[in-house]
Amino acid sequence: DTEVTQTPKHLVMGMTNKKSLKCEQHMGHRAMYWYKQKAKKPPELMFVYSYEKLSINESVPSRFSPECPNSSLLNLHLHALQPEDSALYLCASSQEPDRPNYGYTFGSGTRLTVV
Amino acid sequence: TQLLEQSPQFLSIQEGENLTVYCNSSSVFSSLQWYRQEPGEGPVLLVTVVTGGEVKKLKRLTFQFGDARKDSSLHITAAQPGDTGLYLCAGARGSSNTGKLIFGQGTTLQVKP
Repeated sequence: DTEVTQTPKHLVMGMTNKKSLKCEQHMGHRAMYWYKQKAKKPPELMFVYSYEKLSINESVPSRFSPECPNSSLLNLHLHALQPEDSALYLCASSQEPDRPNYGYTFGSGTRLTVV
Repeated sequence: TQLLEQSPQFLSIQEGENLTVYCNSSSVFSSLQWYRQEPGEGPVLLVTVVTGGEVKKLKRLTFQFGDARKDSSLHITAAQPGDTGLYLCAGARGSSNTGKLIFGQGTTLQVKP
């Protein structure tokens, strides 16, 4: 299995809703990432998990809450989002956090629309 | 501060033409990666270059890492409509790196049949 699987593929939520994005990989990668991407822009890093521990939070608002239940799973819990949070949310993994030369494997993303 | 400057940002060409995308920085990177992203999908890794001066070929795509490891280029020969997409360069910053990649702004390529 050489994939990163993200669910759901599309999500529409109201500003008072609580939802979660899920990400799964079975490649034995020990670093996992959440990125946010707006149309025709590069991905912006949100969080890095290294060996299942949060190692980087890029000053992301608290309405985004990451969770890493085990080495294969990564969640992003969403609460009280704003319309400007609408974007493609990408999960990625890499072999080890201090060996980025091997590259990232990205999932297909969750297209989030906040109404 | 944008550490990786990618150019051009947009490129529209006819099928069969050649093109080059550049990725430049004033900083040294331990490696540079190139990704291609199609609409509605995540980026897909094309290549990683690690050694200064390194050249890698992937069919019609040629990737080069500058001698000083501060810049990289992607050259596509005889572009095809299937090459259409967003091309992203991304750099890693050395052994103390925590896995964080720095992305360029991206190049949107459209190849017309």
